[in-house]
Amino acid sequence: EVQLVESGGDLVQPGRSLRLSCTTSGFTFGDYGMTWVRQAPGKGLEWVGFIRSTPSGGTTEYGASVIGRFTISRDDSKSVAYLQMNSLKTEDTAVYYCNRWHGSVSYSYFWGQGTLVTVSS
Amino acid sequence: IQMTQSPSTLSVSVGDRVTITCRASQSITSSLAWYQQKPGKAPKLLIYKASGLESGVPSRFSGSASGTEFTLTINSLQPDDFATYYCQQYHNLVTFGGGTKVEIK
Repeated sequence: EVQLVESGGDLVQPGRSLRLSCTTSGFTFGDYGMTWVRQAPGKGLEWVGFIRSTPSGGTTEYGASVIGRFTISRDDSKSVAYLQMNSLKTEDTAVYYCNRWHGSVSYSYFWGQGTLVTVSS
Repeated sequence: IQMTQSPSTLSVSVGDRVTITCRASQSITSSLAWYQQKPGKAPKLLIYKASGLESGVPSRFSGSASGTEFTLTINSLQPDDFATYYCQQYHNLVTFGGGTKVEIK
């Protein structure tokens, strides 16, 4: 059974850093791209970024609002994807979801339950 | 790529036919998915590749495409279908539409 579990969400002050984890099981992690999506309170879904599968180079892409501040990485030995968030802003407050690509395509059936990040002084 | 989704809210009754539209700012071929989201839950995949019905999704849901305009149709809306719906293009990176909340009239 495919499972994705996000963790690491917390209350953090503006300007600080936080790292989220997406711990997975039930599939060969390295063979799949992973995406991070966020949802601010009462708002819609926003793509944060993704990391391609290891056979595809493990390269990353990011949304305009997080470029230069957020970094996605992966540890295939642990089946975990990470979202390193630096220079956090109040507008980064959101529930952060990870999801697994469908094969080599970045839509997803499999999502985690989300983890809440609150940026506030 | 921008995805313009409309309407933002729909007030409907059980049994109604619902149509939600997403327009892409440029060609995305058929690289479009539709999701359903309920409060406090992760999105649920309904449609992929513009018109492919995900396994386990009721057949009252369907997707179609015409150029850069994509449509999600729900025939005979059921009580469980009151939710927010999002389109997502995956032709070039990822973009979500703004969402359509389907609420009870």
